[in-house]
Amino acid sequence: SQTIHQWPATLVQPVGSPLSLECTVEGTSNPNLYWYRQAAGRGLQLLFYSVGIGQISSEVPQNLSASRPQDRQFILSSKKLLLSDSGFYLCAWSGQGSRADTQYFGPGTRLTVL
Amino acid sequence: GQQLNQSPQSMFIQEGEDVSMNCTSSSIFNTWLWYKQDPGEGPVLLIALYKAGELTSNGRLTAQFGITRKDSFLNISASIPSDVGIYFCAGPGSGGSNYKLTFGKGTLLTVNP
Repeated sequence: SQTIHQWPATLVQPVGSPLSLECTVEGTSNPNLYWYRQAAGRGLQLLFYSVGIGQISSEVPQNLSASRPQDRQFILSSKKLLLSDSGFYLCAWSGQGSRADTQYFGPGTRLTVL
Repeated sequence: GQQLNQSPQSMFIQEGEDVSMNCTSSSIFNTWLWYKQDPGEGPVLLIALYKAGELTSNGRLTAQFGITRKDSFLNISASIPSDVGIYFCAGPGSGGSNYKLTFGKGTLLTVNP
């Protein structure tokens, strides 16, 4: 069966510091991968998605970037964090093609920028 | 953009009661997904619906894909305390990329033992 991991689970960082959040998927190959941010109040915002190694699409211009160095690894980064980057970051995976619509989420990373 | 109207926003029920929540859209959806999110955790996929009229069960949960493709409901029978959480509907609307999900705003369920 497929599993998705995210780390760290929680992170407290000062403003201006760099960020690296990691997501890995097991039990599947060539998945679509996604980064979401969930603000307080429930809404999920799609930040990035990737259909393959090195292929990243950005949905929202912002202070963050994403990379996919390996088939089942997705990384969310920032060079300098802003206060507004605080939130709950979720990684998700799906199959490709017609099953790209069924997404499975990881456990999330709670980021607090002080 | 496409929007999903999810109702109710919150529910307070007694253990053992049945629960019903629904999502509606002004545009057609090709897939309906129902997720549950516990505090501090990621959403967990409960049920996925792919065909208009489809009725699918997962234990005490039942969900249906509306015939018009513009709505879906989720029922929970004989609720228990661990059903507490936020339930989201989601789906990719037609006419766009199927990886771009639209999410409802969620239904917060509280179950009193």
